[in-house]
Amino acid sequence: DQQVKQNSPSLSVQEGRISILNCDYTNSMFDYFLWYKKYPAEGPTFLISISSIKDKNEDGRFTVFLNKSAKHLSLHIVPSQPGDSAVYFCAAAGSYQLTFGKGTKLSVIP
Amino acid sequence: KAGVTQTPRYLIKTRGQQVTLSCSPISGHRSVSWYQQTPGQGLQFLFEYFSETQRNKGNFPGRFSGRQFSNSRSEMNVSTLELGDSALYLCASSWGTSGSADTQYFGPGTRLTVL
Repeated sequence: DQQVKQNSPSLSVQEGRISILNCDYTNSMFDYFLWYKKYPAEGPTFLISISSIKDKNEDGRFTVFLNKSAKHLSLHIVPSQPGDSAVYFCAAAGSYQLTFGKGTKLSVIP
Repeated sequence: KAGVTQTPRYLIKTRGQQVTLSCSPISGHRSVSWYQQTPGQGLQFLFEYFSETQRNKGNFPGRFSGRQFSNSRSEMNVSTLELGDSALYLCASSWGTSGSADTQYFGPGTRLTVL
């Protein structure tokens, strides 16, 4: 049973536009969420996180939104750049472990 | 500040053999976690160590084991290798003292191929 779901396996966006990546979770005990960016054959790179006491966190071009009632979070990248092309993983933290979604492959088209 | 390092980066083994992977965390980090990434199952949690104690373990068979040393370095061992153990094995480190709000930083991974 997948506790963290990323329902879009892929997303294509034009350079300069907004990329929105979505993530849903089922376990209401999760209270800290993270987004990672990953290239093939490399380890995930931490991007941004959000605690459940917040509904928004910004870091430069990256903003994460959390809707606890809907058990939904999203990552916004504005403006999108070709170097953002990678697989993005949503993760939920709890019990000293991260539970990952299956990832969304973002392609930013120049 | 140096990141998480993992050795070796690549390994080729045959079925039935055993393998040991090594991880050195970011300086000062006392928590080390291990994950397995496969195309079918995605990123799955193996176990987490803090101050040489395993605090949590994922749903993997007993052939997968790990340990942590007093300098926070960690090793994981897989015995009696099976073809399905071919994967990217990732190590992550964190401070380990922030409860669930603890950001994990990943190493580059060890690519294990079992023939």
